[in-house]
Amino acid sequence: NAGVTQTPKFRILKIGQSMTLQCTQDMNHNYMYWYRQDPGMGLKLIYYSVGAGITDKGEVPNGYNVSRSTTEDFPLRLELAAPSQTSVYFCASQTRTAEAFFGQGTRLTVV
Amino acid sequence: AQSVTQLGSHVSVSEGALVLLRCNYSSSVPPYLFWYVQYPNQGLQLLLKYTSAATLVKGINGFEAEFKKSETSFHLTKPSAHMSDAAEYFCAVSEGSGGYQKVTFGIGTKLQVIP
Repeated sequence: NAGVTQTPKFRILKIGQSMTLQCTQDMNHNYMYWYRQDPGMGLKLIYYSVGAGITDKGEVPNGYNVSRSTTEDFPLRLELAAPSQTSVYFCASQTRTAEAFFGQGTRLTVV
Repeated sequence: AQSVTQLGSHVSVSEGALVLLRCNYSSSVPPYLFWYVQYPNQGLQLLLKYTSAATLVKGINGFEAEFKKSETSFHLTKPSAHMSDAAEYFCAVSEGSGGYQKVTFGIGTKLQVIP
């Protein structure tokens, strides 16, 4: 049972480059989330989706974009990477009773 | 608006000692409450969940938490710490109606277990 799968696990980007962080879940959850985690700051919500074709901004959406064309996939796009986007990114899916399942994370460094 | 406060960003206990991680919440409606654990270089995983069925909730690895409405608290405890309990712990609260439950996480408490 794969759960939530994120790729890649690690990535180094140069300032101004773009990339897509992939997230796939196999639990048929409607709700999916992207968080970033910085030391001592907890989890900050970037974007979320309540179903295919529906996305909305979280607390810290600037510099990011998402799409949700299927229930399974929720990719996060970084355009024009900046050092402030150096972080660990987590994708999660959630049941209707709010239980969240997290991926293993993507550690991104922008240099 | 809902919020979560975790008291103490770092907690150290000796192996075999009681673990107590504090969490207070605010919510305008009866919430769901959660504790998640994050081991190094991993994602968060569910430790336990309160859904109003019982005020004392038992989770994995010997952890439990008690919901106290009068104190708006949901503290996590374990009678005897093991070295393998060293991790970061997150309290979370959700509220909502119908299908969508908005979840808010605390900033986390790092637990150090001293041999």
